[in-house]
Amino acid sequence: RKEVEQDPGPFNVPEGATVAFNCTYSNSASQSFFWYRQDCRKEPKLLMSVYSSGNEDGRFTAQLNRASQYISLLIRDSKLSDSATYLCVVRVGARQLTFGSGTQLTVLP
Amino acid sequence: DTAVSQTPKYLVTQMGNDKSIKCEQNLGHDTMYWYKQDSKKFLKIMFSYNNKELIINETVPNRFSPKSPDKAHLNLHINSLELGDSAVYFCASSQVEGASYGYTFGSGTRLTVV
Repeated sequence: RKEVEQDPGPFNVPEGATVAFNCTYSNSASQSFFWYRQDCRKEPKLLMSVYSSGNEDGRFTAQLNRASQYISLLIRDSKLSDSATYLCVVRVGARQLTFGSGTQLTVLP
Repeated sequence: DTAVSQTPKYLVTQMGNDKSIKCEQNLGHDTMYWYKQDSKKFLKIMFSYNNKELIINETVPNRFSPKSPDKAHLNLHINSLELGDSAVYFCASSQVEGASYGYTFGSGTRLTVV
């Protein structure tokens, strides 16, 4: 079983739509959680950290459910510029970040 | 100013050659990493260096050797390149190993072995 699993998509949504991505992780000792964004042929960039109480950054909302070992990302009012691959990322203690394989999003005009 | 810079951006080479990829960060971070992203877009850790000391060495072939002359630089040397080494290699850095910090990535080196 992969340490971090994501639905690869692709998700094709119209502009203005709300879209949600899910992610599960296998190690219950995971302590830090992130969503990264990767544009085609570019490096991954930190989108937001994910906190236990849930957190919001503009149109983006992240949720964490430790009991279910589940992380989600909600994007409201999708923009064309949101088209990218979204990577779910976890860290176990002092270890390095472990990346999911990503979920591809295309926002259509 | 570029925070994490890698060179070269593209590298095309023949099987059996030896090549190096360089990485430098000007963020004052303590820890640097090498990740490999294969054709399926899966990012996998290769090495991690904290203050010039290797702290993680995942199960990569010993043809790959990281070298860190100081905490701002982490280079990757690859001997006897194979077709399967073709991938994008990302360097990254972070503030403190073990803390809840994300990484800053370089723009990647696209390696093609022919």
